[in-house]
Amino acid sequence: DAMVIQNPRYQVTQFGKPVTLSCSQTLNHNVMYWYQQKSSQAPKLLFHYYDKDFNNEADTPDNFQSRRPNTSFCFLDIRSPGLGDAAMYLCATSSGGTDTQYFGPGTRLTVL
Amino acid sequence: AQKVTQAQTEISVVEKEDVTLDCVYETRDTTYYLFWYKQPPSGELVFLIRRNSFDEQNEISGRYSWNFQKSTSSFNFTITASQVVDSAVYFCALAKLLGGSYIPTFGRGTSLIVHP
Repeated sequence: DAMVIQNPRYQVTQFGKPVTLSCSQTLNHNVMYWYQQKSSQAPKLLFHYYDKDFNNEADTPDNFQSRRPNTSFCFLDIRSPGLGDAAMYLCATSSGGTDTQYFGPGTRLTVL
Repeated sequence: AQKVTQAQTEISVVEKEDVTLDCVYETRDTTYYLFWYKQPPSGELVFLIRRNSFDEQNEISGRYSWNFQKSTSSFNFTITASQVVDSAVYFCALAKLLGGSYIPTFGRGTSLIVHP
């Protein structure tokens, strides 16, 4: 019954080693979002897709990239993770318009 | 620029006490949306309520109630007769609709600890 699925739930990577986080949805929503949430902080929007249209937040580092090959899947690529990129990464979806965002359980990234 | 302030970093109560979580926002937009989310230790953000800027009617849902006051730019959340399961971090968020998508700004969150 899970509607927004994130894999893996826990990811460990090494400093500088590229890593990809995955998000999928069964809601057929137009919009998919990626957030970064560091410990005891608010979720911070990195970017979002409205269908295939990619919208990058102005302060999202170039180290973070995203792909959305189809409606159901969206990936977050971190090209060269630094220690400061250790965080919970949350994926969310919405149908656009005034619909609410639905969040996945998150992937906790550890950088060694 | 949009801003959400949750001045209470952590609140600790004993079960069955009522507790109010404060949220104050800043925006220049006339149309905007306010949300509350709950984030339990498992990490998933759980949607609780959404309000648009034209709807100042207060809402009650079981033990939860929300007080939206545009005059003070506040959207406070009250839990009546708190329970241990209410222990979580609660986020208030302000969003504007841009190009068909919500662009949200979250507050820093209030950690609620309910002791048995």
